[in-house]
Amino acid sequence: DQQVKQNSPSLSVQEGRISILNCDYTNSMFDYFLWYKKYPAEGPTFLISISSIKDKNEDGRFTVFLNKSAKHLSLHIVPSQPGDSAVYFCAASPTRIHGSSNTGKLIFGQGTTLQVKP
Amino acid sequence: DVKVTQSSRYLVKRTGEKVFLECVQDMDHENMFWYRQDPGLGLRLIYFSYDVKMKEKGDIPEGYSVSREKKERFSLILESASTNQTSMYLCASSGLAGGRETQYFGPGTRLLVL
Repeated sequence: DQQVKQNSPSLSVQEGRISILNCDYTNSMFDYFLWYKKYPAEGPTFLISISSIKDKNEDGRFTVFLNKSAKHLSLHIVPSQPGDSAVYFCAASPTRIHGSSNTGKLIFGQGTTLQVKP
Repeated sequence: DVKVTQSSRYLVKRTGEKVFLECVQDMDHENMFWYRQDPGLGLRLIYFSYDVKMKEKGDIPEGYSVSREKKERFSLILESASTNQTSMYLCASSGLAGGRETQYFGPGTRLLVL
């Protein structure tokens, strides 16, 4: 059962326009969400995160929005650049239970391949 | 900066061989992870370790084992490699960023089993 879903395998946008990548989750125990970016033949790199106490987090051209009631998050890239072309993974972390060890385990989506055309 | 290194970027092995993939992190992180990445399937967790000599199965542990003898090193072992284990293998360690655990990845090992 896929707890974190990225339903769009690919997305193509023109340079300078907005890229919107979507992610849905099913587990209401998730309270921390992350986006990773991955180039071919490299490991994923952390991009941006958001806690469930917020509905928006911004870092330069990257903004993540969280809609808890819809169990949906999105990553906006404005303006998109050709160097943004990569696979983007969203990931979710469950609430830490008091007294338990924190394993840092994440649940990843399937990934969305973004292509930004010059 | 967090640094996670993996012993090989590319490996070619024969069916039935025993394969060792090594991962080292330099940030004194407690938690370490092994994933495989396949097209359309995202990152799937094979095993993780939350302390030296401690390990837990992930979502797809069959055909794999792990070893964590030292805090900085986490090894993935394919006891008898099979063609369906051809994949990109990613190691990660996790530490606190902004108060919550964030995973940092190595460059990956692309394994081809013939």
